[in-house]
Amino acid sequence: LAKTTQPISMDSYEGQEVNITCSHNNIATNDYITWYQQFPSQGPRFIIQGYKTKVTNEVASLFIPADRKSSTLSLPRVSLSDTAVYYCLVGVIRMDSSYKLIFGSGTRLLVRP
Amino acid sequence: DAGVIQSPRHEVTEMGQEVTLRCKPISGHNSLFWYRQTMMRGLELLIYFNNNVPIDDSGMPEDRFSAKMPNASFSTLKIQPSEPRDSAVYFCASSDTNSGNTIYFGEGSWLTVV
Repeated sequence: LAKTTQPISMDSYEGQEVNITCSHNNIATNDYITWYQQFPSQGPRFIIQGYKTKVTNEVASLFIPADRKSSTLSLPRVSLSDTAVYYCLVGVIRMDSSYKLIFGSGTRLLVRP
Repeated sequence: DAGVIQSPRHEVTEMGQEVTLRCKPISGHNSLFWYRQTMMRGLELLIYFNNNVPIDDSGMPEDRFSAKMPNASFSTLKIQPSEPRDSAVYFCASSDTNSGNTIYFGEGSWLTVV
């Protein structure tokens, strides 16, 4: 199983861009990189997923270098409501269940006014 | 889409009692997951079903825990007998592995065993 390592916490201010980097040195060829967001008292919510290069949606961008051993979640112009825990996951659900999606400890992002 | 529906949202029970948590996955999804979240251990995968069949239950803490999925639209996680250390938030999640691997979580069942 590909293990992920990400910072325990980050602080930012409203309006700034926040970049959270995750390392996954033993990522496998078929693995995707997925980021989830969790607010207090809620279940994790899917943010973005990618395989290589760059992916962008209405919420965030995901940058993946060519070697895929790391990835960076970029949140543009954060607001107070972006205060949450952000999880980086690596893996794919196979029909034979040879993979499990394991959550790490996540990065606690605090956005200050 | 109603999303993943879990019940009860909150439960307080006495040690030794049986607890049953329920989950209705998103219609059409073929995989279902039960996770447990605590401050100390974070999010732990307990068990994973694919097409209603339990595939991997290596995360189930002990024999007091059991999970079933009698059909594609319903699953239960049972704890018998419950202990205070079982107090946690239990999340159910589902996904459609035929169209990607995004997992959609329910709002969780908050269990307190006193």
